[in-house]
Amino acid sequence: QKEVEQNSGPLSVPEGAIASLNCTYSDRGSQSFFWYRQYSGKSPELIMSIYSNGDKEDGRFTAQLNKASQYVSLLIRDSQPSDSATYLCAVNINTGNQFYFGTGTSLTVIP
Amino acid sequence: NAGVTQTPKFQVLKTGQSMTLQCAQDMNHNSMYWYRQDPGMGLRLIYYSASEGTTDKGEVPNGYNVSRLNKREFSLRLESAAPSQTSVYFCASSEEEGVGQFFGPGTRLTVL
Repeated sequence: QKEVEQNSGPLSVPEGAIASLNCTYSDRGSQSFFWYRQYSGKSPELIMSIYSNGDKEDGRFTAQLNKASQYVSLLIRDSQPSDSATYLCAVNINTGNQFYFGTGTSLTVIP
Repeated sequence: NAGVTQTPKFQVLKTGQSMTLQCAQDMNHNSMYWYRQDPGMGLRLIYYSASEGTTDKGEVPNGYNVSRLNKREFSLRLESAAPSQTSVYFCASSEEEGVGQFFGPGTRLTVL
């Protein structure tokens, strides 16, 4: 079983809609959770960090964490074509610097 | 600030050759990391350095060595390259352990 699982997609949404990306993890000792955006041929870019249960909002992005159910999600409101990218979920296992990444979900926002 | 820089951007090696990938950051971060990214496998941690003078194995360390030269620089060495090491290699840094990371532009390595 992989440490971090994501639906690979592709996920397509119309411009202006809400895009919902989901991620599950296997280790209950996981402490911190991250979402990265990666454009094709580029490096990952950190967009959200979340450390406690509940919602965290930053602009059009909202991260949601539910440790009991072991999932973390990312909502993108008012999706724009420039949001078209692969979104990577990452989890920090409770051993300092051991990070595990999901394989990513490809998002396409259709104008 | 340049952030995280990596050299080279592209490299082609023959099986058995050695090379060192260089990484430097100018954000005064304590922790640095090396990842490889392969299609369908996602990003996998090779080695990390929590702070200057320390290094630890990640998920896929076999075939690699690292050196944390100083606080700014963290290099990755392939002693005897194999085709299975064909990948895109990313260096990253973070202010401290367990927080979000900033990635360099990557090195695309092909081993023939």
